[in-house]
Amino acid sequence: GQNIDQPTEMTATEGAIVQINCTYQTSGFNGLFWYQQHAGEAPTFLSYNVLDGLEEKGRFSSFLSRSKGYSYLLLKELQMKDSASYLCAVSPLSGGYNKLIFGAGTRLAVHP
Amino acid sequence: GAGVSQSPRYKVAKRGQDVALRCDPISGHVSLFWYQQALGQGPEFLTYFQNEAQLDKSGLPSDRFFAERPEGSVSTLKIQRTQQEDSAVYLCASSPSPGVGNIQYFGAGTRLSVL
Repeated sequence: GQNIDQPTEMTATEGAIVQINCTYQTSGFNGLFWYQQHAGEAPTFLSYNVLDGLEEKGRFSSFLSRSKGYSYLLLKELQMKDSASYLCAVSPLSGGYNKLIFGAGTRLAVHP
Repeated sequence: GAGVSQSPRYKVAKRGQDVALRCDPISGHVSLFWYQQALGQGPEFLTYFQNEAQLDKSGLPSDRFFAERPEGSVSTLKIQRTQQEDSAVYLCASSPSPGVGNIQYFGAGTRLSVL
């Protein structure tokens, strides 16, 4: 079976740091993606991890541990515009194309 | 620089009505995906096209759902005899090539409400 878990909701203060965790169990693994989705809008790509370790991209970083089936997204210097849903998605083994299995998403609310 | 375009943005249908949802992917993108997103949930995979070939339709919930991409560009998702449980946002995504690790670029979706 395939299972992806992430917290439903989180709150944080403007200027702070927040870590959104994701655990997964999938049939095969070809990488993990994080997407951001503002209400009523398209999901937009944030990061991709296929090897263990930390990938840093500006204010956003993503970490992967394949042996633990675990990833996190780290958001620094939070801004009000970071209030959105954050979707963890795994690319399972699927015949060589990049099908995605998504978690339910974590709704982040950033307060002044 | 056009992204993925979906139309209509909103669709209200009466139960039993047929609907057709359109997706214009990014020009030249080989891969095209359809997802269904229920309120408060993540997108769920419906079907995958590589050019005009439908290689995976394992996520289509019933035989009332049908998708096509006849010329390898624009795609249409058709739902026949709509039911209330079909109410959701239908997202389309395209990717430059099929290889794993390729980013999927999403449209804003069509919000379908079945009354």
